[in-house]
Amino acid sequence: QKEVEQNSGPLSVPEGAIASLNCTYSDRGSQSFFWYRQYSGKSPELIMFIYSNGDKEDGRFTAQLNKASQYVSLLIRDSQPSDSATYLCAVGPGGYNKLIFGAGTRLAVHP
Amino acid sequence: EAGVAQSPRYKIIEKRQSVAFWCNPISGHATLYWYQQILGQGPKLLIQFQNNGVVDDSQLPKDRFSAERLKGVDSTLKIQPAKLEDSAVYLCASRGQGTPTNEKLFFGSGTQLSVL
Repeated sequence: QKEVEQNSGPLSVPEGAIASLNCTYSDRGSQSFFWYRQYSGKSPELIMFIYSNGDKEDGRFTAQLNKASQYVSLLIRDSQPSDSATYLCAVGPGGYNKLIFGAGTRLAVHP
Repeated sequence: EAGVAQSPRYKIIEKRQSVAFWCNPISGHATLYWYQQILGQGPKLLIQFQNNGVVDDSQLPKDRFSAERLKGVDSTLKIQPAKLEDSAVYLCASRGQGTPTNEKLFFGSGTQLSVL
């Protein structure tokens, strides 16, 4: 059974701090990795994707991938209350085929 | 650009009844997905279409769930008969084609199903 594991949280950080969200996956053949943000009662929206080992930065967001450790993380710098949401990690064999989602980590950014 | 349209937004039925959900993807998107998201869990893929053909339906409970995408555009997902454990949000998503950089999965607003 291929699995994607995330700490359910909530992860509480003060405004302006760095939020660190983590995800592990079981399938060593995974090739594509995505982070989605889901506000309560809303649908998921893609915020980052990464395919290669290392870091990928986009604005305040940095995705980190370590395939040897089967670990992917998302860092949010200068966290804002509007970042409060559930962050879903999704892993797939390539592209968007057969994406497996984790259960998500709830992030709460307090002023 | 119009997004992925889904209807209804909410549906309440009793167990053993049938229900149908409708999805209209973004114009030109060949790939369409139906996901089931149970409260507190991540979305689970039920079925993936490429145009009007099924690419993956390995997690679709075929004894009660069915889906079709006639003419390769909009799609319907049906549950008959419904069970209590089918209570969930049913998300439709579509994806265009191109380079990995611009291949994004767009989700609709979902249909929240409550089975009583």
